[in-house]
Amino acid sequence: AQSVTQPDIHITVSEGASLELRCNYSYGATPYLFWYVQSPGQGLQLLLKYFSGDTLVQGIKGFEAEFKRSQSSFNLRKPSVHWSDAAEYFCAVGVQGGYQKVTFGTGTKLQVIP
Amino acid sequence: KAGVTQTPRYLIKTRGQQVTLSCSPISGHRSVSWYQQTPGQGLQFLFEYFSETQRNKGNFPGRFSGRQFSNSRSEMNVSTLELGDSALYLCASSSGQVREEQFFGPGTRLTVL
Repeated sequence: AQSVTQPDIHITVSEGASLELRCNYSYGATPYLFWYVQSPGQGLQLLLKYFSGDTLVQGIKGFEAEFKRSQSSFNLRKPSVHWSDAAEYFCAVGVQGGYQKVTFGTGTKLQVIP
Repeated sequence: KAGVTQTPRYLIKTRGQQVTLSCSPISGHRSVSWYQQTPGQGLQFLFEYFSETQRNKGNFPGRFSGRQFSNSRSEMNVSTLELGDSALYLCASSSGQVREEQFFGPGTRLTVL
């Protein structure tokens, strides 16, 4: 079965600083990978997804993520963080050819300080 | 296009009671998935329904059940509530293929006293 690890429970960055959120997955084949963001009191919103092809994926709100098969990682990055990016971020993995069953990580809460 | 709606938004129940949560997916979506979100546990998959059939099920006890209607609306039921069932229950809709984005509702916050 697939699994996802987000090693950082909480991260604090200064506004304008760069950001990298870590995600490691476990799955035997090439997975489908997702990053979602959850703002307080809201549901989750998809930032970006990877299925195949170019390992650097661009998403909404200026986010990008890089799939590294050798490291089983799919880290999320943003060059300059804005105060509105404060939220909880979830990495998720899905099974190719499978139905809609996605395994989520435990999330990383991002705090942005002025 | 209207988003995913969940009702009610908040619920307070006592141990031993049962509860039914409702989810209306985005129009045209045939897949509805349910997740339980608790601090430190992240989102845990409960089950997924597609065209009124349960296709996937997570590792939850039989007290958790669901169904989907012909209009794709879905309900989730929890019987004999326990304190540990307190959580945010999220519903997500999609076209049904894993590569497609899931659209999440705002969730139902269930508190069991």
